[in-house]
Amino acid sequence: GAVVSQHPSWVICKSGTSVKIECRSLDFQATTMFWYRQFPKQSLMLMATSNEGSKATYEQGVEKDKFLINHASLTLSTLTVTSAHPEDSSFYICSARVAGASSYNEQFFGPGTRLTVL
Amino acid sequence: GNSVTQMEGPVTLSEEAFLTINCTYTATGYPSLFWYVQYPGEGLQLLLKATKADDKGSNKGFEATYRKETTSFHLEKGSVQVSDSAVYFCALRVSDQFYFGTGTSLTVIP
Repeated sequence: GAVVSQHPSWVICKSGTSVKIECRSLDFQATTMFWYRQFPKQSLMLMATSNEGSKATYEQGVEKDKFLINHASLTLSTLTVTSAHPEDSSFYICSARVAGASSYNEQFFGPGTRLTVL
Repeated sequence: GNSVTQMEGPVTLSEEAFLTINCTYTATGYPSLFWYVQYPGEGLQLLLKATKADDKGSNKGFEATYRKETTSFHLEKGSVQVSDSAVYFCALRVSDQFYFGTGTSLTVIP
């Protein structure tokens, strides 16, 4: 089956530093990847939609200059949290949509990255 | 708009008990409906799905039926196991976008 990986699985950083999270589709090509944020005991909230080779589309209220998204290839998207602060501590989950008409709209989720900002 | 409402937890059951987690939705268009499961420290895993009215999704003893007339997609399992302890998310998808419920935490005790 389709597998999505994320790296790192957890990270602790100091306030003011930047952190990069990678999302990879391991055995399929993904023209579109999605980034979600999950607060403790809450649901996933979509942050942005990332299309390969173009700029990401951010949801209302998400700062695009703080959460930089790059989707440089069909198997990799990165989320960089710039100048992280403790309120950015959260569980970040990506999903990847399988390219191809026969699997339109199929999305597979990564295992998540837990970010803790001290 | 599009939204999902699922019963609040936490839910605690004894092993072999019957499980129901309610989920209702509002949606524009024709949504697909999903149940995802999240085990501690892990990401979401697709448990089952239904893409049109009256479809029944099933997997690992869990099942849910897409009820358009009641806009519901309740999750059921006849006999839960300790290993079913997790958080369960109901979700709908319209076009390319997912909308998730707030999750229901299930703990099964021996």
